[in-house]
Amino acid sequence: DAKTTQPPSMDCAEGRAANLPCNHSTISGNEYVYWYRQIHSQGPQYIIHGLKNNETNEMASLIITEDRKSSTLILPHATLRDTAVYYCIVREGHNAGNMLTFGGGTRLMVKP
Amino acid sequence: NAGVTQTPKFRVLKTGQSMTLLCAQDMNHEYMYWYRQDPGMGLRLIHYSVGEGTTAKGEVPDGYNVSRLKKQNFLLGLESAAPSQTSVYFCASSYLRWTGENTEAFFGQGTRLTVV
Repeated sequence: DAKTTQPPSMDCAEGRAANLPCNHSTISGNEYVYWYRQIHSQGPQYIIHGLKNNETNEMASLIITEDRKSSTLILPHATLRDTAVYYCIVREGHNAGNMLTFGGGTRLMVKP
Repeated sequence: NAGVTQTPKFRVLKTGQSMTLLCAQDMNHEYMYWYRQDPGMGLRLIHYSVGEGTTAKGEVPDGYNVSRLKKQNFLLGLESAAPSQTSVYFCASSYLRWTGENTEAFFGQGTRLTVV
């Protein structure tokens, strides 16, 4: 079973920030939070990951609550090309060959 | 640097036929994975490999076999295809950093398989 809970769908206006929430209340101390997205049935694309500190890269920001039971992926200026299914995944960080377990994700629709 | 390449991209099989899907990565990654994705669903792990010559079962391994004879290749076989195996198949690879931390996984573009 997936260890995360995400809303099934969200809308966002083009140019606005998209904030995608994720609950992972059973996360353990050595598990990271990963975000991937899948655009129109292409292969999933890595976005960002973090352990407990907030992270930012050229694609997005990841905000993890202090108790690590939830997180938010922020796309600062959403474009139409950001329309995709976004997956939040918890994954052990140092286990060799540790695989990703995908849940249903959030379908983000960016509208003009 | 092509990343992860899957062959073929599309295939239609008749029930009972066999086929092999090929995944090739040129990033020298230790770990490789095969997933399937049914319409409207998330990806489910079929089999994975932590190194050349080793394989292990994932969440939905029945009806599939795999081999990792070379580090760069991971093959997924269907011995006797069934309509329930109609799906999109994704391959992925990753590695461990020198710190022991897992890296992100890199995915191929998928193989669309239809079994009639």
